[in-house]
Amino acid sequence: QVHLVQSGGGLVKPGGSLRLSCEASGFIFSDYYMTWFRQAPGKGLEWLSYISGGGDTVYYSDSVKGRFTVSRDNAKKSLYLQMNSLRVEDTALYYCARSNPARIWGQGTMVTVSS
Amino acid sequence: EIVLTQSPGTLSLSPGERVSLSCRASQSISSRYIAWYQQKPGQAPRLLIYDASNRATGIPDRFSGSGSGTDFTLTISRLEPEDLGIFYCQHYSGPPPWTFGQGTRVEMK
Repeated sequence: QVHLVQSGGGLVKPGGSLRLSCEASGFIFSDYYMTWFRQAPGKGLEWLSYISGGGDTVYYSDSVKGRFTVSRDNAKKSLYLQMNSLRVEDTALYYCARSNPARIWGQGTMVTVSS
Repeated sequence: EIVLTQSPGTLSLSPGERVSLSCRASQSISSRYIAWYQQKPGQAPRLLIYDASNRATGIPDRFSGSGSGTDFTLTISRLEPEDLGIFYCQHYSGPPPWTFGQGTRVEMK
């Protein structure tokens, strides 16, 4: 079974940091590029970031560039999103996904940025 | 950045009806790199269609996609009660950002 299991969400104050994790199983993790998306409460989907299978190519949306960093550990079959300088408008449900278009999605993890 | 505009915003339909959802791009999408997703309440999105017209694995054949250039359509030939939700189009043409449309909500009468 192909799965992505996410962890690491929570409540953080504006300006704070959080790291999200996404652990893969059931497929050869290093063969796939990975993607992060988010969805603010009651809003639509937003593409955030891409990382190649080897981790050497990354892209970010303008909304998170310079604040968020995507990385991966292929030995651990894990994807990460380090989020710094968090803002209230970063409050959202964050999803990791395999490739794009995304056939496999994590369950989502909620990040709330509030004082 | 390519902007995707979906219409209509909301549809209220009865089971068995034919549904057509529109996704219009602000510029031509090369290689028809458009995907359609369905999101039900409380769930992650599910990929329905990729490359504009290819059904993803396990997607019923009542779902079909068409279009090219700037105009794309998702059609549900006979609406089933489980087809409710919000439908999003997304492009993955060229370098990111790979933007989404704002979504079309499908409700059952």
